[in-house]
Parts: sequence; structure tokens; C-alpha cells
Amino acid sequence: KNEVEQSPQNLTAQEGEFITINCSYSVGISALHWLQQHPGGGIVSLFMLSSGKKKHGRLIATINIQEKHSSLHITASHPRDSAVYICAALSGTYKYIFGTGTRLKVLA
Amino acid sequence: ETGVTQSPTHLIKTRGQQVTLRCSSQSGHNTVSWYQQALGQGPQFIFQYYREEENGRGNFPPRFSGLQFPNYSSELNVNALELDDSALYLCASSLQGGTYEQYFGPGTRLTVT
Repeated sequence: KNEVEQSPQNLTAQEGEFITINCSYSVGISALHWLQQHPGGGIVSLFMLSSGKKKHGRLIATINIQEKHSSLHITASHPRDSAVYICAALSGTYKYIFGTGTRLKVLA
Repeated sequence: ETGVTQSPTHLIKTRGQQVTLRCSSQSGHNTVSWYQQALGQGPQFIFQYYREEENGRGNFPPRFSGLQFPNYSSELNVNALELDDSALYLCASSLQGGTYEQYFGPGTRLTVT
């Protein structure tokens, strides 16, 4: 069992739908990082959070430390949101443990 | 502010050869981490360098080695390449003593034949 698990692995949505991607972890963490990876490999940082909730545009990330769970929500999804979304747990001050990613495809 | 850059973008090598990948950190960052991402998988931590010293290492054999230079740029060296080394290699820079948030480069795609 991976230390960081994501669900679902694949997700297809219609444009405009509300999307939720989940991340559960079994290790102690100092922060959790949500990343977006487009075809070709480039990784973009979305959020880094250690408690509560953060919002940026149509993206919202929440974390529940007690339950060791985080969610990434996308409101009013758009085809340009199509990408792989990865959660990464920061264990200590240097070690990132990555989930395997959620492949999102938003259809027009 | 200059972002994280990596070179080359693509590379093809033969089994048994050696390869060097390069990374330039984001301006102001003193720490570089390297990751291997196999196709369809999440990145795996190789090691991290802080102030030219290895600061932590994942489960990779010694033929994976690195260097960090005084300007905080970094190299990843892989000796005796194996077919399974084919992957996207990502570096990420961060500021030790700050938020530790890592900023990723575009990656180098290595193919071993």
C-alpha cells in the first residue's frame, strides 16, 4: 500500500461540472502539496497547505490533519483543466512522497 | 525571478552508458531535489542537496549520484544505465528555512535503449 493514495485514478467530466479529487496519506506530514502536470511533463504548483482550506480562482484545496485526508476541488470545470493532478506529502523538511496522480479529462 | 530550468529536454542513451542531467535553481533557492517519474507513475524521490551536501536520499542505488555547485545549480549523474532508468527526471528547488515549497523544472526525458 502506497503511503499517499489518490482517488479516482481517472476522471472524465463535462465542462462546467464540479470536480473533487481525494488524497489520503498514512505518514506524518508537515504539509501537503497539490500539483498539476500537463502532457510533456511540466509540473505547476497549485497549493501547499498544512491546515484548513485555500482557494485560488476556481480551485479549492482542503486538508483534515486528524483524518489524514486532503481534497482538491475544481468548480465550473473547463477543458483547459485537463491534466494530471498529483498530491505530494512533505514528510519532515525535505522528503516529498507523491501519489500516483489523478488523470482528469474535461470534455467540451 | 528566474524559474527552474533543466537541460537537456530529451536524451537517448544506450544501456551501460553514463548520463549527466543539469538543473538551475530558481533565484534565491538554496536546495535542489531530484525525482524520477516512470511513465504513468508519480515521481519518486532520488535525493536532495543543500549547500552542496546531500541532505537526504530515497531508495536509489549508488550509481545515482549528484552534485550541487556554489551557485546552487545541480547535476544528476547516472552510471551503468539500465533500461528501467528510462523516465522523466525532474528537479525542484526550494528554500531551506522557508516554506520548503518546491518549484519544479520542466524535466528531462531519458530513454535508455
